[in-house]
Amino acid sequence: GEDVEQSLFLSVREGDSSVINCTYTDSSSTYLYWYKQEPGAGLQLLTYIFSNMDMKQDQRLTVLLNKKDKHLSLRIADTQTGDSAIYFCAESITGGYNKLIFGAGTRLAVHP
Amino acid sequence: EAGVVQSPRYKIIEKKQPVAFWCNPISGHNTLYWYLQNLGQGPELLIRYENEEAVDDSQLPKDRFSAERLKGVDSTLKIQPAELGDSAVYLCASSLGGLLDNEQFFGPGTRLTVL
Repeated sequence: GEDVEQSLFLSVREGDSSVINCTYTDSSSTYLYWYKQEPGAGLQLLTYIFSNMDMKQDQRLTVLLNKKDKHLSLRIADTQTGDSAIYFCAESITGGYNKLIFGAGTRLAVHP
Repeated sequence: EAGVVQSPRYKIIEKKQPVAFWCNPISGHNTLYWYLQNLGQGPELLIRYENEEAVDDSQLPKDRFSAERLKGVDSTLKIQPAELGDSAVYLCASSLGGLLDNEQFFGPGTRLTVL
């Protein structure tokens, strides 16, 4: 079945790199996404990667995809206090449209 | 450009009462989604509209939940009667639609508390 798993919590020091990991089960996923959710807010799309790519970099964000192991990671360089939020991994399920299956989210806490 | 608008932002009701949530998608977005987000979980799709047609409502508990998007623009999600387990955040999202559609834009959500 369709399932996306993430670790629930990550704590990093300000200025360090953060790496958030995700595993998914559907090998036919076309896109994989990272969303950010701040308290009381909706989900904000951070970045996404097409399933035939291995890596995508966008400023401080680097996404790595290991399709063989169905493993996705998000690296945030020079993590700032404003990066504290919940990060959701999501996979799109094929079937004619972009149906998203979300993980439970990883809470990132950035401390001085 | 305005984002996805949802109202109310918060709602507290007693069990067995009805409740309705409203969503106005981004202008020009044909596809509209309603998601349920339980505490500590990721969003789960309830229903998806292409214009005014509900094309995926397989996860919508139809005994108590209903939704409509009569003119293919804004949408209403209703629960009648509400149960304690319905306490959650209800998120609306929209996207352009079509074969190259790969980005959903989310509203801030409505946080429902059922007492």
